[in-house]
Amino acid sequence: ETGVTQTPRHLVMGMTNKKSLKCEQHLGHNAMYWYKQSAKKPLELMFVYSLEERVENNSVPSRFSPECPNSSHLFLHLHTLQPEDSALYLCASSQEATGPNYGYTFGSGTRLTVV
Amino acid sequence: AQSVSQHNHHVILSEAASLELGCNYSYGGTVNLFWYVQYPGQHLQLLLKYFSGDPLVKGIKGFEAEFIKSKFSFNLRKPSVQWSDTAEYFCAVNANTGNQFYFGTGTSLTVIP
Repeated sequence: ETGVTQTPRHLVMGMTNKKSLKCEQHLGHNAMYWYKQSAKKPLELMFVYSLEERVENNSVPSRFSPECPNSSHLFLHLHTLQPEDSALYLCASSQEATGPNYGYTFGSGTRLTVV
Repeated sequence: AQSVSQHNHHVILSEAASLELGCNYSYGGTVNLFWYVQYPGQHLQLLLKYFSGDPLVKGIKGFEAEFIKSKFSFNLRKPSVQWSDTAEYFCAVNANTGNQFYFGTGTSLTVIP
């Protein structure tokens, strides 16, 4: 384990379902991120939370809704997804006081399949 | 906008062969550079990083990378690969003043015993 825990590891959902991805970190970091990893495409940054406030939202469709209730937990709420949203969703954290220069710590990801 | 290019999408090598994976970025300012590795079924891990100083950076498991500022490159090297190096390798760039990373598309390395 890396200190960043994502659940569930695998998720299959229909296009009309509502589900949530959960990320939890025990590293004392104060910034958390959602990334989408699709085959043969660059890692795409979806959301950044710094000190529990959202600072980046790279034009992600509204069917993805993040929530960061505290510095240790990050959620990604999903509703009415499309098949092209099937991908590996990665959570990461970093310590902003020392800067992201020290690199992220990634979770193992949630493999999402939309049917 | 920053971007990162990894030109080798899939590399196949025999054990003991030498490895060099290319990484080029586009950004005119000061950057921090990273290589991440993702072994099959595992999470992304930091392999090595460059902030400043000696442009030749040593990482874990015998990997190294050289920052060539004039070429905007940060190529990853290993003199002799092992079967256990089979993985996906990602190059990433972060502007010195920002908290956003830009990743390349990744290079899949397969090492044949």
